[in-house]
Amino acid sequence: DVKVTQSSRYLVKRTGEKVFLECVQDMDHENMFWYRQDPGLGLRLIYFSYDVKMKEKGDIPEGYSVSREKKERFSLILESASTNQTSMYLCASSQITGELFFGEGSRLTVL
Amino acid sequence: EDQVTQSPEALRLQEGESSSLNCSYTVSGLRGLFWYRQDPGKGPEFLFTLYSAGEEKEKERLKATLTKKESFLHITAPKPEDSATYLCAVQANTGFQKLVFGTGTRLLVSP
Repeated sequence: DVKVTQSSRYLVKRTGEKVFLECVQDMDHENMFWYRQDPGLGLRLIYFSYDVKMKEKGDIPEGYSVSREKKERFSLILESASTNQTSMYLCASSQITGELFFGEGSRLTVL
Repeated sequence: EDQVTQSPEALRLQEGESSSLNCSYTVSGLRGLFWYRQDPGKGPEFLFTLYSAGEEKEKERLKATLTKKESFLHITAPKPEDSATYLCAVQANTGFQKLVFGTGTRLLVSP
């Protein structure tokens, strides 16, 4: 079975703090994604990566950056957390074409 | 712009009461339509991929169908364990193949 593991299930941070969300997949997938999920807005794509060291902006990249130094690992960085970044963050991976496999999610609260 | 609209937002059924969830979409060219199940506080779990109008896929009490404008997820004789949010997403065949999600249908099946 495909396994996508997100490092933290729950985080509480203060405004202005730097936040790292880590994601690891074990199926040698080329593509990795970061989404955020908010009630009434659904899943929105923040960033994605189709290869090591490659990244592309999704629909809502403002306030976020990403890093992909190894194929299996994709990190989401909030340089200076703000309260409007309180959300559920979901990492996913996929083959070149095909369905996404999601991690369990990281629920971030920014106070 | 690619768009996905799911209806109803919420659905309450009695155990054994069959029904259907709707996913209407507009996309420049469809590569695939995906159905996911999401339990509270967890990441989405992949159910089906449909590629062309007329295609159907089944898994236990669930059957997904596809036309050129919409997809239906039919639930036959549901059980309480089918309670979840069901998400629909489309993948275009142009550009990078990211998924665009609907906001989901929350299904509650009462015993």
